Amino acid sequence: QKEVEQDPGPLSVPEGAIVSLNCTYSNSAFQYFMWYRQYSRKGPELLMYTYSSGNKEDGRFTAQVDKSSKYISLFIRDSQPSDSATYLCAMPFEETSGSRLTFGEGTQLTVNP
Amino acid sequence: KAGVTQTPRYLIKTRGQQVTLSCSPISGHRSVSWYQQTPGQGLQFLFEYFSETQRNKGNFPGRFSGRQFSNSRSEMNVSTLELGDSALYLCASSSLDRATDTQYFGPGTRLTVL
Repeated sequence: QKEVEQDPGPLSVPEGAIVSLNCTYSNSAFQYFMWYRQYSRKGPELLMYTYSSGNKEDGRFTAQVDKSSKYISLFIRDSQPSDSATYLCAMPFEETSGSRLTFGEGTQLTVNP
Repeated sequence: KAGVTQTPRYLIKTRGQQVTLSCSPISGHRSVSWYQQTPGQGLQFLFEYFSETQRNKGNFPGRFSGRQFSNSRSEMNVSTLELGDSALYLCASSSLDRATDTQYFGPGTRLTVL
């Protein structure tokens, strides 16, 4: 079983729609939660970063964490064609041997004008 | 500030060959991590280097190796290439050695093994 599960999609929505992207995780030691966005032929870039349960807003983006259910979400309001990308959830983790980021598989999103 | 650069951007090799990929981190960053990205598995952690020392290694066979130089530049090497090694190899740098630090990714090297 993967530590982080994410529906790879693809997800296609019309411009202006509300988009919901989700990940579940199994490792209770994960305490920090990140969302990365990856455009075609580019490396991922950090979009949002949250620690506590609850919601965090940044413009049109809202990250939601439910640690009791081991479930995180990213909502995009008023989606734009420029939001078309792959969205990856990621969880940083410190081990005795060092640190690592564990990623979900990524959800490919297309916003149609 | 220049971003993370990776060379080459594209590479085609045949089975059994070996390959070396290069990564130059953002100036001042001392931590470099490598990831393999494939359609079925997503991004998988390969290894992390900080100040020329490998701090952590993912679950990959010994054919995958890496190193970091005193200027923080890093290379990864894959020997005896297999078809399944075809992937996008991403390098990321961060200023410190904590997993919670923001990692800045390069554009990746697309490796195709024939």
